[in-house]
Amino acid sequence: AQKVTQAQTEISVVEKEDVTLDCVYETRDTTYYLFWYKQPPSGELVFLIRRNSFDEQNEISGRYSWNFQKSTSSFNFTITASQVVDSAVYFCALSATDTGRRALTFGSGTRLQVQP
Amino acid sequence: DAGVIQSPRHEVTEMGQEVTLRCKPISGHDYLFWYRQTMMRGLELLIYFNNNVPIDDSGMPEDRFSAKMPNASFSTLKIQPSEPRDSAVYFCASSRQGANEKLFFGSGTQLSVL
Repeated sequence: AQKVTQAQTEISVVEKEDVTLDCVYETRDTTYYLFWYKQPPSGELVFLIRRNSFDEQNEISGRYSWNFQKSTSSFNFTITASQVVDSAVYFCALSATDTGRRALTFGSGTRLQVQP
Repeated sequence: DAGVIQSPRHEVTEMGQEVTLRCKPISGHDYLFWYRQTMMRGLELLIYFNNNVPIDDSGMPEDRFSAKMPNASFSTLKIQPSEPRDSAVYFCASSRQGANEKLFFGSGTQLSVL
């Protein structure tokens, strides 16, 4: 069955530190999609990135970067030079068809606190 | 584009009352999802629709929960009768092509059942 594990429940860093959020997934599907969403204190869920299972290239977007490794079933997210505005809960999610239908399964989330 | 619109933002009700949550997806999006978020269980998929037809309702907790999508621009999630354990944030989300692309989420409805 498909599953997403975010082992880090909460991380606290000081502004300008780099921080990596871990995500490990499980699926029997060969075609799947991985996502990261951000949930700031205001509560809405904001899409950050989507990767498909055939594209293992790492991606960088400003201070954000993502490392996708199929060999370890991981899709980690790094914030470089963190800022207070990065404080939020971050969710990793997997879209796969293990249940017979394509469904999006979320991890439990990692709460990131960036201290000034 | 107005985004996904949910109402109400907050709902406080007493146990046993009927609760109706509403969602207007983004125009042109064929998929609509209802999620529930709690501290204990995180984000859970309750049900999703494709072209107004319920496709997977395996996440609906029990018969007290029902969802409808009478047309492409409106969906409801109803709880009858409500119980304190239903207290959660309920999110509606929509997308063009289902769960393999990004979902656009509404602001959520914070439900408190006393």
